Amino acid sequence: SYELTQPPSVSVSPGQTARITCSGDALPKKYAYWYQQKSGQAPVLVIYEDSKRPSGIPERFSGSSSGTLATLTISGAQAEDEADYYCYSTDSSGNLWVFGGGTKLTVL
Amino acid sequence: QVQLQESGPGLVKPSQTLSLTCTVSGGSISSGSYYWSWIRQPAGKGLEWIGRIYTSGSTSYNPSLKSRVSISVDTSKNQFSLKLSTVTAADTAVYYCARDIVVVVTPLYQYSYMDVWGKGTTVTVSS
Repeated sequence: SYELTQPPSVSVSPGQTARITCSGDALPKKYAYWYQQKSGQAPVLVIYEDSKRPSGIPERFSGSSSGTLATLTISGAQAEDEADYYCYSTDSSGNLWVFGGGTKLTVL
Repeated sequence: QVQLQESGPGLVKPSQTLSLTCTVSGGSISSGSYYWSWIRQPAGKGLEWIGRIYTSGSTSYNPSLKSRVSISVDTSKNQFSLKLSTVTAADTAVYYCARDIVVVVTPLYQYSYMDVWGKGTTVTVSS
């Protein structure tokens, strides 16, 4: 099996920078993807291929990856960014795709 | 703009087979380089990748579910389907279908990621 490890929760004040990490042994060779899931809604892709932002995603969302750690950064977090965030990637074989356990972001 | 919609019974009895269909609208399921995936999420818990299918029919499944899962595609109806056999209460979840963009780097290496999701459908396993 393969696991991606995320902190269960992150809290920031409005306007501060939120950083959510994702640790996985295969991340040095595999891309990380990030999904935002607001309560009662389907996930939405916010970062793909480590650091690319899909059309329509605010510029305050950015991603990076170094070694076994991928990071989602929300610069100037807003109340509307409160959500669960999941990283997503594959194991070294590319056959098993997994989500991290999710991180609840609180902006208060 | 492509949209996905899950459908199927909301209640399934233990030991029976869960069957869901995802209807793709706004585009052909056969066009472009896409996988078509299923993901689930038990209430209050995280996301779990179930598996995916290419329009050629090739599939890939989560090893933890592989013995019970089957994903198929019907290009004439622009749909793909999930069957999960011998269900238990642990299979109670919101089930999502999604489109995977496939990126071919070399003939031997490709990767994909989900960019469009359905809204999800709740399936409860109970007698």
